[in-house]
Amino acid sequence: ETGVTQTPRHLVMGMTNKKSLKCEQHLGHNAMYWYKQSAKKPLELMFVYSLEERVENNSVPSRFSPECPNSSHLFLHLHTLQPEDSALYLCASSQPGTSANEQFFGPGTRLTVL
Amino acid sequence: GDSVTQMEGPVTLSEEAFLTINCTYTATGYPSLFWYVQYPGEGLQLLLKATKADDKGSNKGFEATYRKETTSFHLEKGSVQVSDSAVYFCALSGRGSTLGRLYFGRGTQLTVWP
Repeated sequence: ETGVTQTPRHLVMGMTNKKSLKCEQHLGHNAMYWYKQSAKKPLELMFVYSLEERVENNSVPSRFSPECPNSSHLFLHLHTLQPEDSALYLCASSQPGTSANEQFFGPGTRLTVL
Repeated sequence: GDSVTQMEGPVTLSEEAFLTINCTYTATGYPSLFWYVQYPGEGLQLLLKATKADDKGSNKGFEATYRKETTSFHLEKGSVQVSDSAVYFCALSGRGSTLGRLYFGRGTQLTVWP
């Protein structure tokens, strides 16, 4: 596998369920990001991990819990979500400090909360 | 703070028409600038980038020139195709950012009709 992969691609869950989104990058990067993309809204940066340490948390509700066990893997644990949490969740990685700082994105997980 | 403003969509064009999507930015120092594209059901893909003033990024017939004097990075294509239908995002990364944080515009939906 190359680039950034995300699983599952689609997820439907009830408000009382617990599920996890997985992201894996094969690019040797040391920073990873979770974004939320909702219809008609700007892309929202949720969490930033650098060298496996969470360095940014943009006022995200505690029902979203990220985990970064190593520099290649990033998880987003979900519990007691609300219907308004339905969105496309995108993972990205980058190598900060390079000349451009571009981020590479995965295909996303389309989450529907019933 | 750093920010990006891009033209509101949607933009609807006929095949072979000329495309311009405007993007202006606010940043301290000399940021790197990007255009990302998102095709239906997919994540964001880097389309082109420029890292310093007067650089021209180009890819797949798309071009954008980093204009420091007008703080702009407008996306252009001389002859669009139906397959170019997608959402286009302008973004910037602050120079020397240790987190590789990107600031995105709201996205512009492009639809090309045959």
